[in-house]
Amino acid sequence: GNSVTQMEGPVTLSEEAFLTINCTYTATGYPSLFWYVQYPGEGLQLLLKATKADDKGSNKGFEATYRKETTSFHLEKGSVQVSDSAVYFCALTDGDSGYALNFGKGTSLLVTP
Amino acid sequence: KAGVTQTPRYLIKTRGQQVTLSCSPISGHRSVSWYQQTPGQGLQFLFEYFSETQRNKGNFPGRFSGRQFSNSRSEMNVSTLELGDSALYLCASSLGLESHASPLHFGNGTRLTVT
Repeated sequence: GNSVTQMEGPVTLSEEAFLTINCTYTATGYPSLFWYVQYPGEGLQLLLKATKADDKGSNKGFEATYRKETTSFHLEKGSVQVSDSAVYFCALTDGDSGYALNFGKGTSLLVTP
Repeated sequence: KAGVTQTPRYLIKTRGQQVTLSCSPISGHRSVSWYQQTPGQGLQFLFEYFSETQRNKGNFPGRFSGRQFSNSRSEMNVSTLELGDSALYLCASSLGLESHASPLHFGNGTRLTVT
């Protein structure tokens, strides 16, 4: 089935540093790609999504581009804040059904002042 | 608007017992999905219900089952508990359209510990 691999954490950055969290996928067909975020004490929530090749998803200063040629969907932010400290999950639609998502194992990000 | 509510928040059970977890979706959402989260395997899809029908099922044994009621509330049942079933069980609701058009809204989960 479709799957994603994302970089291991934890990632520790200073405030205002540039962030990249790598995510690559293996899929049949044309899955949709997502980044979900889990802030401390909260449930997972959708951060951004892209539904076809070359689409760029963006939200709260985060961006990710659906790259079919490299099967990647890396998450980037130009200047992180302490409030961005969270666990980030890359996900894609399951090959058999568009109703299920397959998630990566998550990358923990800690931003220090 | 109230979010996804999962009860109970914590459960401790003994091997061999069974357990039922409950999920109340966001009002108006007709789809409920269940995921198991563990440190080793991450988030794994269990099953998804829409209008009381199971539309999709993940690769879990038959000990894991679920159902959805006419008010869209859902329950998940695990029978003959094993130590490896210890996990955070997450429920997510959505409008029920194809995933790319219908984002998942997650609850805070039920932490199940099997001893």
